[in-house]
Amino acid sequence: AQSVTQLDSQVPVFEEAPVELRCNYSSSVSVYLFWYVQYPNQGLQLLLKYLSGSTLVKGINGFEAEFNKSQTSFHLRKPSVHISDTAEYFCAVSDTGNQFYFGTGTSLTVIP
Amino acid sequence: DTEVTQTPKHLVMGMTNKKSLKCEQHMGHRAMYWYKQKAKKPPELMFVYSYEKLSINESVPSRFSPECPNSSLLNLHLHALQPEDSALYLCASSSPTRGQDNSPLHFGNGTRLTVT
Repeated sequence: AQSVTQLDSQVPVFEEAPVELRCNYSSSVSVYLFWYVQYPNQGLQLLLKYLSGSTLVKGINGFEAEFNKSQTSFHLRKPSVHISDTAEYFCAVSDTGNQFYFGTGTSLTVIP
Repeated sequence: DTEVTQTPKHLVMGMTNKKSLKCEQHMGHRAMYWYKQKAKKPPELMFVYSYEKLSINESVPSRFSPECPNSSLLNLHLHALQPEDSALYLCASSSPTRGQDNSPLHFGNGTRLTVT
């Protein structure tokens, strides 16, 4: 089974500043990586995914992530955050068709 | 807007009640999931249906009973719940093609369940 680590449980950042949310996973032969965002009282929304190919993945809302196989990381970045980015962010890993492993989540708070 | 629809959005039930949560998707996905989520925690997998057959049951108590009537519908029948079962129940779907293991999960907005 995979394990996913999100070391930062809470990340406060000022509006228009850059942000990085960290995600590390246990190694495997091949994995598929995802970032989800959850706004209050909603389900999880897919931000971006890495399946294969280019290690730099661009997603919705200006987010991007970089897959680093040697460091088993998939950190999420945004160059300039908005108030509306305040939410819970979950990193997830899948190594088979039906099994997904979630990190513990990072609560991003954007400060005006 | 989400392509996975869950009803009801909110549910309050007593410990002796019987109720059902419903989930529907029309994306042609062949895998459907039930997750339980407590506040500020990641989703916890409960059940997975693949091609309308139960493929994963994560040792969930029998007071939770899943049902997959067809490829678009997923139900979760609830009976004799406990207050600690209060949580957000999320339905998700994915489309793992046989031999291809990389389809993401698509979530509904969940049912907020309160057991009194």
